[in-house]
Amino acid sequence: ETGVTQTPRHLVMGMTNKKSLKCEQHLGHNAMYWYKQSAKKPLELMFVYSLEERVENNSVPSRFSPECPNSSHLFLHLHTLQPEDSALYLCASSSSYYQPQHFGDGTRLSIL
Amino acid sequence: AQKVTQAQTEISVVEKEDVTLDCVYETRDTTYYLFWYKQPPSGELVFLIRRNSFDEQNEISGRYSWNFQKSTSSFNFTITASQVVDSAVYFCALSGANTGNQFYFGTGTSLTVIP
Repeated sequence: ETGVTQTPRHLVMGMTNKKSLKCEQHLGHNAMYWYKQSAKKPLELMFVYSLEERVENNSVPSRFSPECPNSSHLFLHLHTLQPEDSALYLCASSSSYYQPQHFGDGTRLSIL
Repeated sequence: AQKVTQAQTEISVVEKEDVTLDCVYETRDTTYYLFWYKQPPSGELVFLIRRNSFDEQNEISGRYSWNFQKSTSSFNFTITASQVVDSAVYFCALSGANTGNQFYFGTGTSLTVIP
């Protein structure tokens, strides 16, 4: 397996549910990212992990909780989400600022 | 401050026409990198090209070409003889030696190629 893999591809959940998004990379990269992409809006950086430590948190609501247990895996734990959280959530990885990011296919999340 | 501006929100062209996607950037770093990505309807962002701040040489790859001009802080992308498969959202991005591992994306340009 190569590249960045995200699961699930689609997720529908109620506002009171708890779910997790998973991202896995097999590229040997040491930085991983979560982005949110809403319809008609630009990419929003949510979290950055470098060497498994969180280095950036762009004022994301606490109902989103990231976890990076090792350099190959990244999770986004979701709880008590709002309808405006419906979006495409993209995971990416990179080896350094001068190398391109590699993106997963994304998880399309719908909040009922 | 780091910023990328893609002023063109949506562009439509007829197949076989040439099209240029604009990208203007702002940075205080002297060492920085610029990237273009393509996002087809399936959702995944696909890396197209990287250019560093010390290399202003233009690049051509098949029907794609990139024009990097530091004097105007621009990194424009031209598709020659466009095809329906080129329909996608295209993002320009910037990273710098002093931005840590953060990448700055433009808002994207949605290109539709009409058969």
